[in-house]
Amino acid sequence: DIQITQSPSSLSASVGDRVTITCRASQVTANYLAWYQQKPGKLPIILLYAASTFQSGVPSRFSVSGSGADFTLTISSLQPEDVATYYCQKYNSAPRAFGQGTKVQIK
Amino acid sequence: EVQLVESGGGLVQPGRSLRLSCEASGFNFDDNAMHWVRQAPGKGLEWVAGINWNSGSVAYEDSVKGRFTISRDNAKNSLYLEMNSLKTEDTAFYYCARDMTTQIYGPYDSWGQGTLVTVSS
Repeated sequence: DIQITQSPSSLSASVGDRVTITCRASQVTANYLAWYQQKPGKLPIILLYAASTFQSGVPSRFSVSGSGADFTLTISSLQPEDVATYYCQKYNSAPRAFGQGTKVQIK
Repeated sequence: EVQLVESGGGLVQPGRSLRLSCEASGFNFDDNAMHWVRQAPGKGLEWVAGINWNSGSVAYEDSVKGRFTISRDNAKNSLYLEMNSLKTEDTAFYYCARDMTTQIYGPYDSWGQGTLVTVSS
C-alpha cells in the first residue's frame, strides 16, 4: 500500500507569511493527488486535485508544486481565513490514504 | 445544490452492528461513485470504503475489510454502510462523500454533515 507522509503536523505563522506544506508518497502516485481544507468545526472542502487543478473560487495565494511522489502546497501570504487543517490524499488506488493533516494557525 | 444527508449513527456496544445511510439530492446520483470517510473526534480523515456508480466495484480500508459492507440503491439515491463486529476504535464521525468520477478513483467534491458512531460498553 502507498503510504502518505504529510509535514509538518502543525505550524504557526504570522499574517502575510509564506507557508509551505509537504506531502510525500511512498510510491509514485502519478499526480492522483488532492488537497483538502477543513476549517475548525466545518466539513472538508477540496482545494485542488490531479496535483494541480484548482477548484473554482480557491484564492490565488494558494499554489502547488511537485510531481510523482513529492508535492507541496504553498500559501503565499497567510490570511486569517486560512486557519484550518490541510490534508493531502492520493486517490488512484485503494486504500485512498489521507495524509495526517497539517494544522495551520496564526501566530 | 448537492446535498448529502447521513443518518443511522448512535451509541452501540462493541461487537454489535449498525447501518448508516446517506441520502443524496441535487445531482444525478448514478453519475458518481461514492465513499465513506470517517474522522475520530479531534483526529484526521480516514477513508473507509468506496463504491462505483453501478456497484460493480467496491474497495475497503484494511481495518474494516470483512466487517463493513458498502452498498447503494440508485433508485433511492441512497448510499449505505453496514457495520458489523464494531470495535471501540470505530468510534468516529462518518461522512459520505461524492467522488468526482463514476469509478472509485476520483477525489471528493461534496461531503455530508456526518453522523457520529460511538462504540462503547
